[in-house]
Parts: sequence; C-alpha cells; structure tokens
Amino acid sequence: EAEVAQSPRYKITEKSQAVAFWCDPISGHATLYWYRQILGQGPELLVQFQDESVVDDSQLPKDRFSAERLKGVDSTLKIQPAELGDSAMYLCASRDRQETQYFGPGTRLLVL
Amino acid sequence: ELKVEQNPLFLSMQEGKNYTIYCNYSTTSDRLYWYRQDPGKSLESLFVLLSNGAVKQEGRLMASLDTKARLSTLHITAAVHDLSATYFCAVSLWADKLIFGTGTRLQVFP
Repeated sequence: EAEVAQSPRYKITEKSQAVAFWCDPISGHATLYWYRQILGQGPELLVQFQDESVVDDSQLPKDRFSAERLKGVDSTLKIQPAELGDSAMYLCASRDRQETQYFGPGTRLLVL
Repeated sequence: ELKVEQNPLFLSMQEGKNYTIYCNYSTTSDRLYWYRQDPGKSLESLFVLLSNGAVKQEGRLMASLDTKARLSTLHITAAVHDLSATYFCAVSLWADKLIFGTGTRLQVFP
C-alpha cells in the first residue's frame, strides 16, 4: 500500500540553527500539505501545494519558514533560525481524487 | 473564523460500553473527516462524510453528519481496548483546507 514518506523521523537541534524536513507524497497525488501539530492539539496547516504551486501559505511564518516543491513531487520544509516554540510534530499529507488526505509518519522536532 | 470543537476532550470508558463523541463546527461545510491518532504516531483516515445525512460504519465505529446543525458524531459500540487513541474531526474549507478539532482522547479499560 502506497504511503507518504517523511524524513527524518526525529530531529533535535539548538535554537538559531537551520533544519529541513523532506516529504515524498503518494505517487500521483497532486496536492501536498505541511501541517504542524503541537503536543495535545490538532494539526494546523502551514502550506498547501497544488503540483509545484503554493495554494495557501497564509499560516506559514515566512520570516523563518520556507517550503518548496520544485518539480511538483517531493517537498522540503525549512526553518531558519529555529526557535524553542517550533518544537512540534511536522506532518506531511497528500490528497487523492476522492479528496481524502493521507498523512505521513511525521517529523518530531525538538529545539533546545 | 471557522472553529471546530469536540467534546468530550477526554473519555475514559469501560470495555463493552457505548459512547458518542461530538464535533461541532461554526461555518458551512459539506465535507467532514474523522481521523485516529495513536500516541507518537501519524493520523489515520477513518471516515469521509460528504453530504448531509451521511452515515458510515467500520467495525465498532459509526460516523454521521448533520450539515444543518453543523454537527458530526462518532459513535463507539461495545468499546474494546484497541480503540484507545485520540480521535480528531476535521472540516473542509475551500481548496480542501482542513481545520481540525481539538481532539478527543479515548481510553478504554477492562
């Protein structure tokens, strides 16, 4: 069964350092999402791509976060510089034609 | 601003009992999702409800949607320990942007 792949699964970094997360959606899924989930809360959308284009990045803190999906397949989310409040689970999801979003295993980030 | 509220936030129930989780949302939407999340894990899709009156069932879980009342329910029948997890509802806005509820943490004990 096809799955959304993410790496790394865990990342520990010090504040002010740069971090990057990678996501490979399910093959054929044109829509890709990055979410942030703080412990004890529901996921919040950071950015949505349709192919290589950004559809919605209204909740992305653009002073420190960036996201790209250059060839419309895999995607990278970067944080520079990381802050203590960025500690969270970062989830990638892709959507099929039946409009269900399938989530990857996530990257758990801890900023010290 | 769309708000999605779930209740209860925490639910501790005995095996074999029935219970219902409620999901209320504040604006019009014709699409609602239920997800399950185990501790430290990602989200697993349970149900997609696409129209008013939609009802879907899988095993001991049944979900329904009332778009006029802006309410969805997730009913648990004869709970078993394996159902212990956090359950999220999510409402779809334009361009399939999902707004997630607060989550209901379910614990089933013997």
